[in-house]
Amino acid sequence: NAGVTQTPKFQVLKTGQSMTLQCAQDMNHNSMYWYRQDPGMGLRLIYYSASEGTTDKGEVPNGYNVSRLNKREFSLRLESAAPSQTSVYFCASSEKPSNVLTFGAGSRLTVL
Amino acid sequence: GENVEQHPSTLSVQEGDSAVIKCTYSDSASNYFPWYKQELGKRPQLIIDIRSNVGEKKDQRIAVTLNKTAKHFSLHITETQPEDSAVYFCAASRQNSGYALNFGKGTSLLVTP
Repeated sequence: NAGVTQTPKFQVLKTGQSMTLQCAQDMNHNSMYWYRQDPGMGLRLIYYSASEGTTDKGEVPNGYNVSRLNKREFSLRLESAAPSQTSVYFCASSEKPSNVLTFGAGSRLTVL
Repeated sequence: GENVEQHPSTLSVQEGDSAVIKCTYSDSASNYFPWYKQELGKRPQLIIDIRSNVGEKKDQRIAVTLNKTAKHFSLHITETQPEDSAVYFCAASRQNSGYALNFGKGTSLLVTP
């Protein structure tokens, strides 16, 4: 039982390049989330998927797209990376009624 | 949307003392208030949560209180230990948002021996 698995763990991009962060959970959770964490800014919600087939914008969606591929997988895509997207990205999942977020280990992205 | 304010941003206490972290929220419809602990280089993990039908909840040295009228909630850690040193995040959400949590900016707690 791996929980929430994110790949890659580290990535360096040049401005304008694209990439996709992958996330998979094996807990049969309905809801999945992408957060970014920056120093002094806490965890800010980028996008979430309350259930398979639905996605919604969070607090900071600009510059990102998501795909809920199936119940297990929720990917985050940066089409044209910018230095402002340098951050640590966390994927998480949850299930009712507990609604406890289980986080992945994080993906550290640097955009030069 | 929901706005969660958290204070203080840093807190230093002596081992054995108590620590209190306070949060306020803006959306009166919020009904779920968890607290997460993040150790350096690790992922956030839930330490305690409270729902709006409860005013206080305790788990050993940790307690959370909720004042729905004032829209604030607090984390209390008693008899602090060096291993309590971490960043603590409060959060709030409401059920019809699919429980998408909005987090405060975090409190860096340092417990010195």
